[in-house]
Amino acid sequence: KAGVTQTPRYLIKTRGQQVTLSCSPISGHRSVSWYQQTPGQGLQFLFEYFSETQRNKGNFPGRFSGRQFSNSRSEMNVSTLELGDSALYLCASSLVSVTGELFFGEGSRLTVL
Amino acid sequence: SQQGEEDPQALSIQEGENATMNCSYKTSINNLQWYRQNSGRGLVHLILIRSNEREKHSGRLRVTLDTSKKSSSLLITASRAADTASYFCATDGETSGSRLTFGEGTQLTVNP
Repeated sequence: KAGVTQTPRYLIKTRGQQVTLSCSPISGHRSVSWYQQTPGQGLQFLFEYFSETQRNKGNFPGRFSGRQFSNSRSEMNVSTLELGDSALYLCASSLVSVTGELFFGEGSRLTVL
Repeated sequence: SQQGEEDPQALSIQEGENATMNCSYKTSINNLQWYRQNSGRGLVHLILIRSNEREKHSGRLRVTLDTSKKSSSLLITASRAADTASYFCATDGETSGSRLTFGEGTQLTVNP
């Protein structure tokens, strides 16, 4: 069974631009959650989607948004990028519960210049 | 805020030695999990222990949970160089809603 796939793996943007990251969960998994990982803040929960509905949201500004499609694939978008948005963005999928075992992708490394 | 806090932040040992990492948390939990992350990669689930369990084993891993002290420990026995990674505990605190909250991790280096 294929794992969680995130694209792109690496990207460089400049301040003010926007970025869209994609995540394909493990087949059959309906929950997709997103995390931001930085050296200073560690792993911070962004949001979780289940069956195309946002089920939970972390403490991030409205510039961070996401969505989930009917095939469970998910995207997250960050608008008006700031230097502090440079991070590893990790997507994780799970069968049903977001508090059970999570299966992570390799992440998308975003650098904002 | 981070629910789990790992201790120590960094640990360096020789191959063959045991490595012990600790995690403390603040609120009641339903379960506690440990994950491993190789540098710049995604996290890999290692083990989940429920709040009504005290100890769990998986291969060379042994996890204990003390809910009265709100703490857990991860023991890796007979460590190998390939165990070099960051290790995170994650909790689903009853007050944190439907999400996992990760600690800041312990960086383990196993020297050959």
